[in-house]
Amino acid sequence: DGGITQSPKYLFRKEGQNVTLSCEQNLNHDAMYWYRQDPGQGLRLIYYSQIVNDFQKGDIAEGYSVSREKKESFPLTVTSAQKNPTAFYLCASSISRTGNYGYTFGSGTRLTVV
Amino acid sequence: AQTVTQSQPEMSVQEAETVTLSCTYDTSESDYYLFWYKQPPSRQMILVIRQEAYKQQNATENRFSVNFQKAAKSFSLKISDSQLGDAAMYFCAYRVDSNYQLIWGAGTKLIIKP
Repeated sequence: DGGITQSPKYLFRKEGQNVTLSCEQNLNHDAMYWYRQDPGQGLRLIYYSQIVNDFQKGDIAEGYSVSREKKESFPLTVTSAQKNPTAFYLCASSISRTGNYGYTFGSGTRLTVV
Repeated sequence: AQTVTQSQPEMSVQEAETVTLSCTYDTSESDYYLFWYKQPPSRQMILVIRQEAYKQQNATENRFSVNFQKAAKSFSLKISDSQLGDAAMYFCAYRVDSNYQLIWGAGTKLIIKP
């Protein structure tokens, strides 16, 4: 079945450590997105990519980095510069680069700083 | 600023009854797309319904329908014959043609009483 796979489901990070969240899709979608979700808030966009080898910063990109070397993959690295990384992270993709038809989401990664 | 307001943090409804979730948004654009997403306890976001702003006819998907009032910038979601599986957080979002980002509301928690 086609879909988006995020791993791991739960991730624990020590202070000063970089961690990478995986996002893989087999939907042949052009665009991919990373969102952060905090309690009581809507989703906030971290980065998005409309095409391979190209990506754009969202509203809260500081302390995060991404790459898009393959159409299927869009990993997110949470660096030590991100001071408050504890949150739920959602990866999404859209069949069109504009996202007019809506997004397909993965099941998320819960990141906790220990 | 582009914003989405969901004024009901929490709603409850008796099973088999009808409930309406409200959403208002603010944009000066004339062409945009509106979405309702559902996030059940599994936390995976699921697209419920989509509306194109240039279409006057309200979108319908089985038990889910919208009341789109463009002049009032209102986009409410009606769920008929509520089922226990409808219990979730519901998020309203929109995207304008000039910006590839989705703008999200803070969500409404829907509780279904058996």
